[in-house]
Amino acid sequence: DGGITQSPKYLFRKEGQNVTLSCEQNLNHDAMYWYRQDPGQGLRLIYYSQIVNDFQKGDIAEGYSVSREKKESFPLTVTSAQKNPTAFYLCASQGGGGEATGELFFGEGSRLTVL
Amino acid sequence: QKEVEQDPGPLSVPEGAIVSLNCTYSNSAFQYFMWYRQYSRKGPELLMYTYSSGNKEDGRFTAQVDKSSKYISLFIRDSQPSDSATYLCAMKRPGGYQKVTFGIGTKLQVIP
Repeated sequence: DGGITQSPKYLFRKEGQNVTLSCEQNLNHDAMYWYRQDPGQGLRLIYYSQIVNDFQKGDIAEGYSVSREKKESFPLTVTSAQKNPTAFYLCASQGGGGEATGELFFGEGSRLTVL
Repeated sequence: QKEVEQDPGPLSVPEGAIVSLNCTYSNSAFQYFMWYRQYSRKGPELLMYTYSSGNKEDGRFTAQVDKSSKYISLFIRDSQPSDSATYLCAMKRPGGYQKVTFGIGTKLQVIP
């Protein structure tokens, strides 16, 4: 089945630790995105990548890092510099190239809790 | 002012009711309008997509866009308990990979 796979589904982290969230897609989409979802704040864009080996900061990139070495993969690292990392993280991909309509395909999400 | 405003609810309705969900927006450049449905602890899934103004119907769901008022709506007819979810409106400007801007989502509960 085509889709987006995020792992792990649940993750606990101690303060001061970096953690990496995995996102893999087999939809052959060029664009991939990371969002953070908090109650009452909706989806906020962390980073996005339109092509392999290139990515841009979104609205709340501080304390996060990404890489895009393969088309299928877009891992997100939550660093110790992120002040309030406890949240639900969503990865998405988008196809369509220049005619992209905005349809995003989301993974199931990763819930990170900092202890 | 946020680019997209959406009442977070929660909204509770009896089974079989017609549900109306709405968003307003401030950026007149938005041309693509979407509704996503998100079940608890899951990722959002695209429910409806419309381009520019007008109506679009898909089964029990109707999406409506009024660009003159900067107002979009999602109507659910004959609502079912399985429709209980959070509904997020989303929109983007034309031209390739423009950023998609989301509302905060309205939580809907359909009571059997």
